[in-house]
Amino acid sequence: DAKTTQPNSMESNEEEPVHLPCNHSTISGTDYIHWYRQLPSQGPEYVIHGLTSNVNNRMASLAIAEDRKSSTLILHRATLRDAAVYYCILNAGGTSYGKLTFGQGTILTVHP
Amino acid sequence: NAGVTQTPKFRILKIGQSMTLQCTQDMNHNYMYWYRQDPGMGLKLIYYSVGAGITDKGEVPNGYNVSRSTTEDFPLRLELAAPSQTSVYFCASTPRRDPWETQYFGPGTRLLVL
Repeated sequence: DAKTTQPNSMESNEEEPVHLPCNHSTISGTDYIHWYRQLPSQGPEYVIHGLTSNVNNRMASLAIAEDRKSSTLILHRATLRDAAVYYCILNAGGTSYGKLTFGQGTILTVHP
Repeated sequence: NAGVTQTPKFRILKIGQSMTLQCTQDMNHNYMYWYRQDPGMGLKLIYYSVGAGITDKGEVPNGYNVSRSTTEDFPLRLELAAPSQTSVYFCASTPRRDPWETQYFGPGTRLLVL
Protein backbone atom coordinates (compact mmCIF):
# COMPACT_ATOMS: atom_id res chain seq x y z
CA ASP A 1 0.00 0.00 0.00
CA ALA A 2 1.20 3.48 -0.78
CA LYS A 3 2.22 5.32 2.37
CA THR A 4 1.85 8.88 3.55
CA THR A 5 4.15 11.09 5.61
CA GLN A 6 2.86 13.82 7.91
CA PRO A 7 4.46 16.05 10.54
CA ASN A 8 3.99 14.72 14.06
CA SER A 9 2.45 17.91 15.37
CA MET A 10 1.39 21.44 14.44
CA GLU A 11 0.08 24.41 16.35
CA SER A 12 -2.30 27.18 15.43
CA ASN A 13 -4.13 30.08 16.99
CA GLU A 14 -7.88 30.22 17.07
CA GLU A 15 -9.52 31.82 14.02
CA GLU A 16 -6.32 31.59 11.97
CA PRO A 17 -5.93 29.34 8.91
CA VAL A 18 -4.16 26.02 9.28
CA HIS A 19 -2.34 24.17 6.52
CA LEU A 20 -1.68 20.50 7.26
CA PRO A 21 0.75 18.91 4.77
CA CYS A 22 0.94 15.31 3.60
CA ASN A 23 3.49 13.63 1.33
CA HIS A 24 2.52 10.57 -0.71
CA SER A 25 5.27 10.19 -3.28
CA THR A 26 4.34 6.57 -4.18
CA ILE A 27 0.69 7.30 -4.87
CA SER A 28 -0.79 5.41 -7.81
CA GLY A 29 -3.01 6.96 -10.44
CA THR A 30 -6.24 5.55 -9.02
CA ASP A 31 -5.60 6.22 -5.31
CA TYR A 32 -7.92 8.72 -3.70
CA ILE A 33 -6.52 11.01 -1.00
CA HIS A 34 -8.64 10.98 2.14
CA TRP A 35 -8.40 12.98 5.33
CA TYR A 36 -9.92 11.86 8.59
CA ARG A 37 -9.65 13.43 12.01
CA GLN A 38 -9.96 11.99 15.48
CA LEU A 39 -11.17 14.20 18.28
CA PRO A 40 -10.09 13.23 21.82
CA SER A 41 -11.71 9.99 23.01
CA GLN A 42 -13.73 9.58 19.79
CA GLY A 43 -13.59 7.47 16.67
CA PRO A 44 -12.12 8.92 13.48
CA GLU A 45 -14.44 11.02 11.34
CA TYR A 46 -14.26 11.78 7.65
CA VAL A 47 -13.12 15.26 6.66
CA ILE A 48 -12.59 15.39 2.90
CA HIS A 49 -11.27 13.46 -0.07
CA GLY A 50 -10.07 14.08 -3.61
CA LEU A 51 -8.39 12.55 -6.64
CA THR A 52 -6.73 15.30 -8.70
CA SER A 53 -8.62 18.56 -8.36
CA ASN A 54 -8.80 20.77 -5.31
CA VAL A 55 -11.90 20.13 -3.21
CA ASN A 56 -13.94 22.21 -0.80
CA ASN A 57 -16.61 21.24 1.68
CA ARG A 58 -18.14 22.77 4.77
CA MET A 59 -15.35 21.47 6.99
CA ALA A 60 -12.18 22.13 5.01
CA SER A 61 -10.42 22.44 1.68
CA LEU A 62 -8.04 19.98 0.08
CA ALA A 63 -5.28 21.21 -2.18
CA ILE A 64 -3.62 18.51 -4.29
CA ALA A 65 -0.29 19.06 -6.02
CA GLU A 66 -0.25 18.74 -9.78
CA ASP A 67 1.95 15.63 -9.63
CA ARG A 68 -0.26 14.27 -6.79
CA LYS A 69 2.78 13.49 -4.67
CA SER A 70 1.61 15.79 -1.91
CA SER A 71 -1.54 17.41 -0.60
CA THR A 72 -2.55 19.96 2.00
CA LEU A 73 -5.60 20.04 4.21
CA ILE A 74 -6.69 23.60 4.85
CA LEU A 75 -8.82 24.66 7.80
CA HIS A 76 -9.78 28.22 6.95
CA ARG A 77 -10.46 29.42 10.50
CA ALA A 78 -9.34 27.06 13.21
CA THR A 79 -11.53 26.73 16.28
CA LEU A 80 -10.79 25.03 19.56
CA ARG A 81 -13.04 22.21 18.41
CA ASP A 82 -10.61 21.50 15.54
CA ALA A 83 -7.95 20.28 17.97
CA ALA A 84 -7.53 16.66 16.93
CA VAL A 85 -5.26 14.13 15.25
CA TYR A 86 -5.49 14.49 11.47
CA TYR A 87 -4.80 11.48 9.28
CA CYS A 88 -3.95 11.59 5.59
CA ILE A 89 -4.79 8.22 4.00
CA LEU A 90 -4.69 6.81 0.48
CA ASN A 91 -7.65 4.68 -0.57
CA ALA A 92 -6.94 2.34 -3.45
CA GLY A 93 -10.42 0.84 -3.53
CA GLY A 94 -10.78 -2.30 -5.65
CA THR A 95 -8.99 -5.31 -4.23
CA SER A 96 -8.00 -3.39 -1.11
CA TYR A 97 -11.69 -3.73 -0.18
CA GLY A 98 -11.80 -0.28 1.33
CA LYS A 99 -9.19 -1.09 3.97
CA LEU A 100 -7.52 2.02 5.35
CA THR A 101 -3.91 2.21 6.53
CA PHE A 102 -3.48 4.78 9.27
CA GLY A 103 -0.14 6.39 10.06
CA GLN A 104 0.44 8.31 13.27
CA GLY A 105 -1.16 11.45 11.89
CA THR A 106 -0.59 15.08 12.84
CA ILE A 107 -1.62 16.28 16.27
CA LEU A 108 -3.13 19.74 15.83
CA THR A 109 -3.14 22.01 18.87
CA VAL A 110 -5.27 25.16 18.68
CA HIS A 111 -4.48 27.98 21.08
CA PRO A 112 -7.18 30.41 22.26
CA ASN B 1 -30.24 6.58 12.03
CA ALA B 2 -27.70 5.65 14.73
CA GLY B 3 -24.79 4.89 12.36
CA VAL B 4 -22.21 2.54 13.88
CA THR B 5 -22.75 1.56 17.49
CA GLN B 6 -20.38 -0.37 19.76
CA THR B 7 -20.84 -2.02 23.12
CA PRO B 8 -19.52 -1.99 25.75
CA LYS B 9 -17.87 1.42 26.05
CA PHE B 10 -15.31 0.16 28.57
CA ARG B 11 -14.35 -3.21 29.98
CA ILE B 12 -11.74 -4.62 32.32
CA LEU B 13 -10.74 -8.23 31.71
CA LYS B 14 -8.48 -10.56 33.61
CA ILE B 15 -5.77 -12.44 31.73
CA GLY B 16 -7.24 -15.55 30.14
CA GLN B 17 -10.85 -14.36 30.15
CA SER B 18 -12.84 -14.07 26.96
CA MET B 19 -15.29 -11.50 25.69
CA THR B 20 -17.13 -10.33 22.61
CA LEU B 21 -17.07 -6.74 21.43
CA GLN B 22 -20.31 -5.88 19.68
CA CYS B 23 -20.63 -3.73 16.57
CA THR B 24 -23.85 -2.88 14.73
CA GLN B 25 -24.52 -0.56 11.83
CA ASP B 26 -27.94 0.49 10.53
CA MET B 27 -26.83 1.87 7.16
CA ASN B 28 -27.03 -1.44 5.25
CA HIS B 29 -23.30 -1.28 4.51
CA ASN B 30 -21.65 -4.35 3.03
CA TYR B 31 -18.13 -3.66 4.26
CA MET B 32 -17.22 -3.68 7.92
CA TYR B 33 -13.90 -3.41 9.74
CA TRP B 34 -12.34 -3.83 13.16
CA TYR B 35 -9.36 -1.67 14.11
CA ARG B 36 -7.37 -1.36 17.29
CA GLN B 37 -5.56 1.74 18.48
CA ASP B 38 -2.74 1.65 20.99
CA PRO B 39 -1.82 4.85 22.88
CA GLY B 40 -0.27 7.51 20.66
CA MET B 41 -0.54 5.35 17.56
CA GLY B 42 -2.71 5.19 14.47
CA LEU B 43 -5.36 2.53 13.96
CA LYS B 44 -4.40 -0.97 12.83
CA LEU B 45 -6.77 -3.30 10.99
CA ILE B 46 -7.64 -6.55 12.78
CA TYR B 47 -10.30 -8.13 10.56
CA TYR B 48 -12.69 -7.05 7.88
CA SER B 49 -15.80 -8.36 6.15
CA VAL B 50 -17.10 -7.75 2.63
CA GLY B 51 -20.57 -9.09 3.36
CA ALA B 52 -22.53 -11.54 5.45
CA GLY B 53 -20.62 -14.79 5.78
CA ILE B 54 -17.34 -13.43 4.38
CA THR B 55 -14.47 -12.30 6.58
CA ASP B 56 -10.72 -11.94 6.18
CA LYS B 57 -7.66 -11.09 8.24
CA GLY B 58 -6.15 -7.65 8.46
CA GLU B 59 -2.74 -6.59 9.70
CA VAL B 60 -2.99 -7.79 13.34
CA PRO B 61 -5.49 -10.71 13.56
CA ASN B 62 -3.71 -12.92 16.13
CA GLY B 63 -5.76 -13.48 19.28
CA TYR B 64 -9.04 -12.43 17.70
CA ASN B 65 -11.93 -14.03 15.83
CA VAL B 66 -14.87 -12.57 13.95
CA SER B 67 -18.11 -13.69 12.37
CA ARG B 68 -20.64 -11.95 10.13
CA SER B 69 -23.98 -13.69 10.11
CA THR B 70 -25.99 -10.57 9.22
CA THR B 71 -25.32 -7.37 7.29
CA GLU B 72 -25.81 -5.31 10.44
CA ASP B 73 -23.61 -7.08 12.99
CA PHE B 74 -19.88 -7.75 13.09
CA PRO B 75 -18.79 -9.00 16.53
CA LEU B 76 -15.13 -9.33 17.54
CA ARG B 77 -14.21 -12.18 19.87
CA LEU B 78 -11.22 -12.32 22.22
CA GLU B 79 -10.76 -15.90 23.38
CA LEU B 80 -7.86 -15.69 25.84
CA ALA B 81 -7.27 -12.10 26.83
CA ALA B 82 -3.66 -10.98 27.16
CA PRO B 83 -2.20 -7.67 28.41
CA SER B 84 -1.05 -6.94 24.83
CA GLN B 85 -4.71 -6.67 23.85
CA THR B 86 -5.20 -3.64 26.07
CA SER B 87 -6.27 -1.07 23.51
CA VAL B 88 -9.16 0.93 22.11
CA TYR B 89 -11.17 -0.96 19.52
CA PHE B 90 -13.04 0.77 16.71
CA CYS B 91 -15.56 -0.73 14.34
CA ALA B 92 -16.22 0.92 10.97
CA SER B 93 -18.35 0.40 7.89
CA THR B 94 -18.59 1.58 4.30
CA PRO B 95 -21.20 0.87 1.63
CA ARG B 96 -18.87 -0.12 -1.22
CA ARG B 97 -15.16 -0.68 -1.83
CA ASP B 98 -14.83 2.21 -4.26
CA PRO B 99 -11.81 4.44 -3.47
CA TRP B 100 -13.99 7.55 -3.06
CA GLU B 101 -16.17 5.97 -0.37
CA THR B 102 -15.78 7.10 3.22
CA GLN B 103 -15.72 4.97 6.32
CA TYR B 104 -18.02 5.55 9.25
CA PHE B 105 -16.56 4.78 12.65
CA GLY B 106 -18.15 3.82 15.92
CA PRO B 107 -17.29 5.51 19.23
CA GLY B 108 -14.92 2.74 20.32
CA THR B 109 -14.57 0.20 23.12
CA ARG B 110 -11.79 0.74 25.63
CA LEU B 111 -10.40 -2.58 26.87
CA LEU B 112 -8.03 -3.05 29.77
CA VAL B 113 -6.54 -6.51 30.38
CA LEU B 114 -4.97 -7.03 33.79
